[in-house]
Amino acid sequence: AQSVTQLDSQVPVFEEAPVELRCNYSSSVSVYLFWYVQYPNQGLQLLLKYLSGSTLVKGINGFEAEFNKSQTSFHLRKPSVHISDTAEYFCAVTLNYGGATNKLIFGTGTLLAVQP
Amino acid sequence: AAGVIQSPRHLIKEKRETATLKCYPIPRHDTVYWYQQGPGQDPQFLISFYEKMQSDKGSIPDRFSAQQFSDYHSELNMSSLELGDSALYFCASSPNRGMGYTFGSGTRLTVV
Repeated sequence: AQSVTQLDSQVPVFEEAPVELRCNYSSSVSVYLFWYVQYPNQGLQLLLKYLSGSTLVKGINGFEAEFNKSQTSFHLRKPSVHISDTAEYFCAVTLNYGGATNKLIFGTGTLLAVQP
Repeated sequence: AAGVIQSPRHLIKEKRETATLKCYPIPRHDTVYWYQQGPGQDPQFLISFYEKMQSDKGSIPDRFSAQQFSDYHSELNMSSLELGDSALYFCASSPNRGMGYTFGSGTRLTVV
């Protein structure tokens, strides 16, 4: 079975500093990878996804992530954060095969806390 | 662009009552998923439907049931509600069996 690990439950960072949120996955088959953002009391918004092709994926709000198959990682980065980026960030994985409906498996989330 | 619509946005129920949550997927999306997110928790998969048939089942209690109708909207029925059922319930839809999920804004269920 596949799983997702987000080692950092909380990442404090100052405004305009760079940030990296870590995500590692475990799966015996190839996967699709996603990052979602959840603002307080709101739903899940897709930041970016890796399905195939280039390992560097660019998403919304200036975020990007790099798929590293050998390290089974999909870390999320932003070169300069804003106060408005304060939110919970979830890494998620689903199996890359055409069988069942490929449910999303989420990590436990990382709270990005941007300080002025 | 049309999004996934969930209703109601908020719901307060007493213990042992029943609740029905509704989800209207994006048009032409053939798969619907239900997730439960407890306070401070990550979303947990409950159940999914593909072309109106149940396709996968996760950690969904026996007190819960769900179905997808001919117009592709889905309903999650929850009976004998417990305090621990208080959570945010998300619906998501996908056009290609998992390649592109879109989540609704969720229904916040509070059981008192």
